[in-house]
Amino acid sequence: AQKVTQAQTEISVVEKEDVTLDCVYETRDTTYYLFWYKQPPSGELVFLIRRNSFDEQNEISGRYSWNFQKSTSSFNFTITASQVVDSAVYFCALRTFNDMRFGAGTRLTVKP
Amino acid sequence: DGGITQSPKYLFRKEGQNVTLSCEQNLNHDAMYWYRQDPGQGLRLIYYSQIVNDFQKGDIAEGYSVSREKKESFPLTVTSAQKNPTAFYLCASSLGTDFTEAFFGQGTRLTVV
Repeated sequence: AQKVTQAQTEISVVEKEDVTLDCVYETRDTTYYLFWYKQPPSGELVFLIRRNSFDEQNEISGRYSWNFQKSTSSFNFTITASQVVDSAVYFCALRTFNDMRFGAGTRLTVKP
Repeated sequence: DGGITQSPKYLFRKEGQNVTLSCEQNLNHDAMYWYRQDPGQGLRLIYYSQIVNDFQKGDIAEGYSVSREKKESFPLTVTSAQKNPTAFYLCASSLGTDFTEAFFGQGTRLTVV
């Protein structure tokens, strides 16, 4: 069975701090994709990144970076120099063929 | 602009009533999904459809029904059989049900009064 665990329910940081959101997944499939989505207060989930199971290269996009480690089944998300606008709920998701599972989400609050 | 439109944004239902949530997409996506979001539980799949006139149950389909008569539309009916319908409902679509990312609507918050 597929499963995604986001152990951090809520995180609060002060602006300009770095913050890492953890994601651990479980699957027996060898081909799968991992995603991160952001859910601002408006409610809509915004797609951030997709990573396939064969590509363990880390990725950086501006202040965002992602660390994918198959050995530990983790796909962690780091925000560098956080800003108030980063406040949202962040979801990690695992997609195998015909199935997509979401973690419970991590609520990030960035205080000025 | 391409996207997914859910309506209404807020919906109130009396106990024992059926209610239908609308989801329309103009992205020309084949696959569409309905998720339910409850606090602290992430998103749970209710139904999904890979193609017109075909749909499959997700993890929590009991008390819900869907139809897919047109590619761009995937309405969800919350029936009186759903014992705890108060939740936030999200519709999504993707090119296929393979590994492409899903795009989401803005959601409908349903409250039973």
